[in-house]
Amino acid sequence: GAGVSQSPSNKVTEKGKDVELRCDPISGHTALYWYRQRLGQGLEFLIYFQGNSAPDKSGLPSDRFSAERTGESVSTLTIQRTQQEDSAVYLCASSFLAGPQQPQHFGDGTRLSIL
Amino acid sequence: DAKTTQPNSMESNEEEPVHLPCNHSTISGTDYIHWYRQLPSQGPEYVIHGLTSNVNNRMASLAIAEDRKSSTLILHRATLRDAAVYYCILRDLNTGFQKLVFGTGTRLLVSP
Repeated sequence: GAGVSQSPSNKVTEKGKDVELRCDPISGHTALYWYRQRLGQGLEFLIYFQGNSAPDKSGLPSDRFSAERTGESVSTLTIQRTQQEDSAVYLCASSFLAGPQQPQHFGDGTRLSIL
Repeated sequence: DAKTTQPNSMESNEEEPVHLPCNHSTISGTDYIHWYRQLPSQGPEYVIHGLTSNVNNRMASLAIAEDRKSSTLILHRATLRDAAVYYCILRDLNTGFQKLVFGTGTRLLVSP
């Protein structure tokens, strides 16, 4: 399809394990964003990529969280040594350019559950 | 950062127009007004945005007050599929425009 694709759609893992979440943005979109949404709450910004660089990592909650983007395309969000508080829906968005007029197009997220 | 205030919830009947208000009394001259909505179990969806003038697209209309301290998202004929949480978001040209800062939004209920 032409939209933002995220995988897996659901992930259940045990506390302490590492997880990788993948995002395939819309082709040609230079900007990519990761957000987190805890149950019943609003979206929290995590990180923003322009190309393969991350000018704003201010939302990453701890050093257990990291992200990379390659080929100005796919991005991976990695959470090491997962904890129960990491349970949330992780959403990825992309936009053609980064700018205040640019709509962000979201995927449907990865629902992460930490047992 | 300039903040927005929205009612927690609103109700509408199917095929009636819906006017969703947003107050942003501290808006700056460089803030764009964006609206997104989030349907259950889905990621947010862009609806519309504007700066000073009213805007129309296939999904909705955006009416911006002359002093820009408030705006209204207008759904011309609500359908059941329009039941969602609607977020009014300001994006500053100069600072922090990359990320979207979501508030609590307005939950729109649509009855048949």
